[in-house]
Amino acid sequence: DAKTTQPTSMDCAEGRAANLPCNHSTISGNEYVHWYRQIHSQGPQYIIHGLKNNETNEMASLIITEDRKSSTLILPHATLRDTAVYYCIVYGNKLVFGAGTILRVKS
Amino acid sequence: GAVVSQHPSRVICKSGTSVKIECRSLDFQATTMFWYRQFPKQSLMLMATSNEGSKATYEQGVEKDKFLINHASLTLSTLTVTSAHPEDSSFYICSARIQGYEQYFGPGTRLTVT
Repeated sequence: DAKTTQPTSMDCAEGRAANLPCNHSTISGNEYVHWYRQIHSQGPQYIIHGLKNNETNEMASLIITEDRKSSTLILPHATLRDTAVYYCIVYGNKLVFGAGTILRVKS
Repeated sequence: GAVVSQHPSRVICKSGTSVKIECRSLDFQATTMFWYRQFPKQSLMLMATSNEGSKATYEQGVEKDKFLINHASLTLSTLTVTSAHPEDSSFYICSARIQGYEQYFGPGTRLTVT
């Protein structure tokens, strides 16, 4: 499974867009990019995934660069409840979690 | 979305005893379930992959005789921590995969071994 690199932590003002970057330069052609988040002491929550096209759902948007070596998760209007650890994972045949990004949404 | 439950949510046991944790997919059938462990301030670590009706595949460094996994049906997988010791105290999380790539996680089980 390809390795991912994410910033350790980020802050975002409530109501603003949160843009979380992820580098995955060794991704293979058939591997998907998945995003999950974990709120303290809970199981991870699925957010979104994509292969090469940009994706959007009710929670977030996923922008994948044309060379697929990096991606950005966008939470369009962050709220305090979005404070969590966000994991970017390149999915081969299993989810292997890295350290993730601690996102702190502040009022 | 799909719901995965775990039971119990918290358990305290004495050193040397065994503990069983259940993972259920409530509204879907899961051919594959996964077990993770998470220590404080660390990320999730994959322990094993469990396919219904077959033996689990353990990740490197995970003792298969200590962490017994049974996936007897399409909606239930169990993890038994045998002869538990204080260093086994952790947050154990299961997940279930619907066909394709989406994986849904349970709420986790906090195990404390005294």
